[in-house]
Amino acid sequence: EAGVAQSPRYKIIEKRQSVAFWCNPISGHATLYWYQQILGQGPKLLIQFQNNGVVDDSQLPKDRFSAERLKGVDSTLKIQPAKLEDSAVYLCASSPTQGPNQPQHFGDGTRLSIL
Amino acid sequence: AQSVAQPEDQVNVAEGNPLTVKCTYSVSGNPYLFWYVQYPNRGLQFLLKYITGDNLVKGSYGFEAEFNKSQTSFHLKKPSALVSDSALYFCALRDSNYQLIWGAGTKLIIKP
Repeated sequence: EAGVAQSPRYKIIEKRQSVAFWCNPISGHATLYWYQQILGQGPKLLIQFQNNGVVDDSQLPKDRFSAERLKGVDSTLKIQPAKLEDSAVYLCASSPTQGPNQPQHFGDGTRLSIL
Repeated sequence: AQSVAQPEDQVNVAEGNPLTVKCTYSVSGNPYLFWYVQYPNRGLQFLLKYITGDNLVKGSYGFEAEFNKSQTSFHLKKPSALVSDSALYFCALRDSNYQLIWGAGTKLIIKP
């Protein structure tokens, strides 16, 4: 079974530029998550999709962050414009459903550095 | 309020010795608890979970975790540590909205 795929692995941009990350979940997984992980901290949920619908985006800074999962499969997370505090690793995870006993499967993340 | 605590920022263990990484939780209903491991420059990997049933849960790579309801703890254990176990370990609790509440992480260092 192929895992969660994310690209790019690394990205360096200057503040106020825009950036996009891509995630392809495990085949058949209906639930997709985007997390932000700042160095030395646990992941922070940004947005959760169930198929192509948003379940929770309460912690997504909507003035600069956006995400979509148009066909209910792969997903894109965008930051525009980027700020210095956005430097972090952006993790994508998926699970078969959003049931309470379902573990989440993570990709290797995109490490974003803002100059 | 639901929460997860990992009281130790770092745990140091000699190779071959048993290891324990501590996790405590607070939840009003039945807890759904998870342990994940993160190696450098990698995503989080699922190790094991407690949903119900036996208090001793076995997981990947020889790890196990002991659920203790009276102490509201879910400590991760391994009988004999390997240098390759050195990584960052996260405990997580599923909340009432099915989101994961994450601990701050514990860095495990296994010394040869």
